[in-house]
Amino acid sequence: QVQLQESGPGLVKPSETLSLTCTVSGGSITSYYWSWIRQAPGKGLEWIGFIYFSGKTSYNPSLKSRVTISVDTSKNQISLQLTSVTAADTAVYYCARQAPERALEYWGQGTLVTVSS
Amino acid sequence: DIQMTQSPSSLSASVGDRVTITCRASQSISSYLNWYQQKPGKAPKLLIYAASSLQSGVPSRFSGSESGTDFTLTISSLQPEDFATYYCQQSSGIPYTFGQGTKLEI
Repeated sequence: QVQLQESGPGLVKPSETLSLTCTVSGGSITSYYWSWIRQAPGKGLEWIGFIYFSGKTSYNPSLKSRVTISVDTSKNQISLQLTSVTAADTAVYYCARQAPERALEYWGQGTLVTVSS
Repeated sequence: DIQMTQSPSSLSASVGDRVTITCRASQSISSYLNWYQQKPGKAPKLLIYAASSLQSGVPSRFSGSESGTDFTLTISSLQPEDFATYYCQQSSGIPYTFGQGTKLEI
């Protein structure tokens, strides 16, 4: 069974860079798209972007200038970097595997990142 | 961006009820519409993909349908474990977008 686990600092200072890693177990990263999604406290879901195992990316235009998603196939990991964070970036961040039909079929448990000084 | 308008935003129902949640896309998305269930403190769970295909392991009381840009999630007979928040999501265009959610309460 494919499992995803997000990891990274739970607290980031304003104007700094948020960095998270998603480690995939029980399956290979290859041949799939991998998305990052976030959810602010008490709010809905926002898609951040995805990466294909080859490195091809697509980002939400609302975040594109601040986001970088990368992949390390040797470690079966996907990474997210979000620069110049503000309190509005406080959210639970999820990684997810995209099925061929483009649905998000496997999700990590999520990790809460709080932006505060 | 493709806007997904989901209704109702909240819904009160009882065990055994038949429930319908709708999602309208602001433009054609073909059948690239997915439904998720989210319980408090948990990640979303995929229920329906491609508008009407049941994800493996999901009970058959869940079903999806489409009519043009209108999409429907139906739960045929509510069970206690179905009380949760439901989201639609389009994966036709970038950025992928979600509906605002429907909170299903007892």
